[in-house]
Amino acid sequence: NAGVTQTPKFQVLKTGQSMTLQCAQDMNHEYMSWYRQDPGMGLRLIHYSVGAGITDQGEVPNGYNVSRSTTEDFPLRLLSAAPSQTSVYFCASSLETYRGTHPEAFFGQGTRLTVV
Amino acid sequence: AQSVAQPEDQVKVAEGNPLTVKCTYSVSGNPYLFWYVQYPNRGLQFLLKYITGDNLVKGSYGFEAEFNKSQTSFHLKKPSALVSDSALYFCAVSSESGGSYIPTFGRGTSLIVHP
Repeated sequence: NAGVTQTPKFQVLKTGQSMTLQCAQDMNHEYMSWYRQDPGMGLRLIHYSVGAGITDQGEVPNGYNVSRSTTEDFPLRLLSAAPSQTSVYFCASSLETYRGTHPEAFFGQGTRLTVV
Repeated sequence: AQSVAQPEDQVKVAEGNPLTVKCTYSVSGNPYLFWYVQYPNRGLQFLLKYITGDNLVKGSYGFEAEFNKSQTSFHLKKPSALVSDSALYFCAVSSESGGSYIPTFGRGTSLIVHP
């Protein structure tokens, strides 16, 4: 199993450009989520999905879109990049919480994005 | 709303000494608590979790954590620190609020273990 795979690992964008960060998992996990990590801020939730076709906003959703057409994939789209979106982005997945189980999350290795 | 506080940005200990990384939480309802570790340029890795039952939870690499409901805390501990334990540690909480169990993370605590 590859686990959670994020691409690309590094990206530089110009202000106003758009791009998609890819996330794929091969563990048949229902839950997937996107976080951004900034110094002193920890991980902040951008968007999440509890299953194919279902997405919802997290703490910092502005400027980002997501969709979940398959269980495996959960891409994050930056609509018009801004310098404030310079960050490290992590995708995570987990099994759903069911009958008292609270499975841990598996994380990708991250995408380091710089917007100039 | 749920939240996590890690009051220390950095913890320094000598190798061989016990270590504690602090975490307090706030939720409405039952808390489900997690610790993750992040090594440089890597994603987060799961260490341990508390769901219910025994307040002392044992996890990977000799780490353990104690759930204290009255103090709303879930501190991470290890009896004898190793230099290789140096990393960034995150506490996280999830609950039934909002209808999902997506966790909220703290800001992280940098653990430095010196020889």
